[in-house]
Formats: sequence, structure tokens, C-alpha cells
Amino acid sequence: DAGVTQSPTHLIKTRGQQVTLRCSPKSGHDTVSWYQQALGQGPQFIFQYYEEEERQRGNFPDRFSGHQFPNYSSELNVNALLLGDSALYLCASSWRVVYRGPVYGYTFGSGTRLTVV
Amino acid sequence: GENVEQHPSTLSVQEGDSAVIKCTYSDSASNYFPWYKQELGKGPQLIIDIRSNVGEKKDQRIAVTLNKTAKHFSLHITETQPEDSAVYFCAASRGDGGATNKLIFGTGTLLAVQP
Repeated sequence: DAGVTQSPTHLIKTRGQQVTLRCSPKSGHDTVSWYQQALGQGPQFIFQYYEEEERQRGNFPDRFSGHQFPNYSSELNVNALLLGDSALYLCASSWRVVYRGPVYGYTFGSGTRLTVV
Repeated sequence: GENVEQHPSTLSVQEGDSAVIKCTYSDSASNYFPWYKQELGKGPQLIIDIRSNVGEKKDQRIAVTLNKTAKHFSLHITETQPEDSAVYFCAASRGDGGATNKLIFGTGTLLAVQP
């Protein structure tokens, strides 16, 4: 059973450019969340998608946007890249409905390492 | 605002010793506290979690304790092994840990287990 798949694994962009990162959730999961992890820091919540709509958003500017497709996969778009956007971008998938059994919470992908130069 | 503080930032132990990592959260509405292990080049992997109606939970060599009054929770690893070496993150979220609740992460602890 494939877990969360993210592409690409690494990416180098120039300041001012735009980037799109992709995520395929774990089989059976319907909710996708995106996190930004700067070097040496814990992940920070960007936003969450369910039923193709943004349901929650963290403290990130409008330059960060996303999309969820009918097959539950998701994209993260960042416009007008800044040097400070350099980070590991993590996708986490989950079920929307709360389950109280042992299978619970989020499954994270390995991330996309974005470097802005 | 919502904040999770984590200590220490680095921890070096000898193989077989115990390791303890402590976290403090600020949001009194937090009810779910997972711990993640992140190895180099990989995403965070859930190793244990605890809900606010429980004070302690154990899974083999790993245990987590929660003091909701003091807003503290801790990870305890006994009989450490070299493969335990990684960065560990604590996190907190509202609700009961359902997928709809965002996670607030600590800043991480780099654990090094010396053979």
C-alpha cells in the first residue's frame, strides 16, 4: 500500500518565480494538509483541503494557494517566490471522519525540498 | 497565540540509557498530543500519541505522559538503540486528534544514541 507520494523531491527556483508542488494521498484518505518546515524548525501548517475546498488556513500569505482534485490528490502553488520560502514542504493525508481506533491522525510524505535562489 | 515549546534541542545518550524530551503547550483547548520521529530525508512518522483523557500511555520502549493542568507532556524512550537516533517532534492540536484539526509542532529534539 503506497503511502503519501510527493513530487518533485527537490526543486530550485529563482526569486520571483512561481512553483507547483504535488501530493498523492495515502490510499483511502480524503483530506490533504500542507506544512512548511524551515531548516531546523518544526513543520508549520499552511492549509487543509477536503472535498476540493480549502477548509482551514494557517498564517501564510495569499501567495500560497492550493487545489484538491476529485481523486483527492492536491497541489500547492507559491507565487512570487521569496528567499524565505526555501524549506521542506510536507503533505499529510488523513481521513476526514474521526476514527478512534489505532489507525489515526496524519500520514506524512517525505516532502519536497524547495530552494529559492 | 498557539505555541509549543520543546526541550532540549539536542540530546546525546549512551546506548541502553533512557531519553526524555519535554514539551509545553499554550492553547488550553488542545486535547491531542502526538509525537513524531523524523529521519534524514524523510517526513515525520507518528510514533505515539495521547489524548487529554489519559495521563500516560506506553508502547514497548516508548511512553508519553501528560499533565494537562501544567500543560506539559513528555516522551520517554527506554533502552535506547542507535536506530533511535533522529529528530523528534512533539505536537498539539484541538479536538480529539481528528484529521480536521491542525497540528502545532515544537521545534524538535535531535537525539543521538552513541553505541
